[in-house]
Amino acid sequence: QVQLVESGGGVVQPGGSLRLSCAASGFTFSSYGMHWVRQAPGKGLEWVAFIRYDGSNKYYADSVKGRFTISRDNSKNTLYLQMNSLRAEDTAVYYCAKDVTAAGLNYFDYWGQGTLVTVSS
Amino acid sequence: DIVMTQSPDSLAVSLGERATINCKSSQSVLYSSNNKNYLAWYQQKPGQPPKLLIYWASTRESGVPDRFSGSGSGTDFTLTISSLQAEDVAVYYCQQYYSTPPSITFGQGTRLEIK
Repeated sequence: QVQLVESGGGVVQPGGSLRLSCAASGFTFSSYGMHWVRQAPGKGLEWVAFIRYDGSNKYYADSVKGRFTISRDNSKNTLYLQMNSLRAEDTAVYYCAKDVTAAGLNYFDYWGQGTLVTVSS
Repeated sequence: DIVMTQSPDSLAVSLGERATINCKSSQSVLYSSNNKNYLAWYQQKPGQPPKLLIYWASTRESGVPDRFSGSGSGTDFTLTISSLQAEDVAVYYCQQYYSTPPSITFGQGTRLEIK
């Protein structure tokens, strides 16, 4: 069965950095686009970033462009999110989610359980 | 970006009754070349990640009970639960995946409770 397991969350000071990981199993990871989606405490869902199956195309929400970098290692079945220059408003549960296709932005058929990132001094 | 607006923000429905959630997009998400609406619906229960219910506006995901249905086209969409069950208490989100340049946006969510 498909499993997505996020890790790397924690408490970080404003201006700091953090790298999230998402370990994938149960499907051919290298054949699907992947996303990060976040949810601030008590709030709705916000799409963060997408990476194509081969890593050749990446797209970001305006709110994180220039600060966050999405990447993947298909040999390790792992998705990453490098977060720099963190702000209080980046505090959220970060989910990795599987796209239903390889190359385009579509809908998500599987989600991880999420990892909490708290930006606070 | 395409803005998705759901109504109502919260809804209380009696068990066995119909629940209707609306979603409106700021521009059409109907792609004329394939006549598909780039609209999905998710259910999120407390402490859990979202779960896909409906895609292409009206296609039910495998395993989703048939009391859930999606309808609409262009800019106006509806998620209907025909006979509310206790396990349907959740927050429901619509999502568009039409945007160019590529981007994804969600509605603000609708909280569904039992009356």
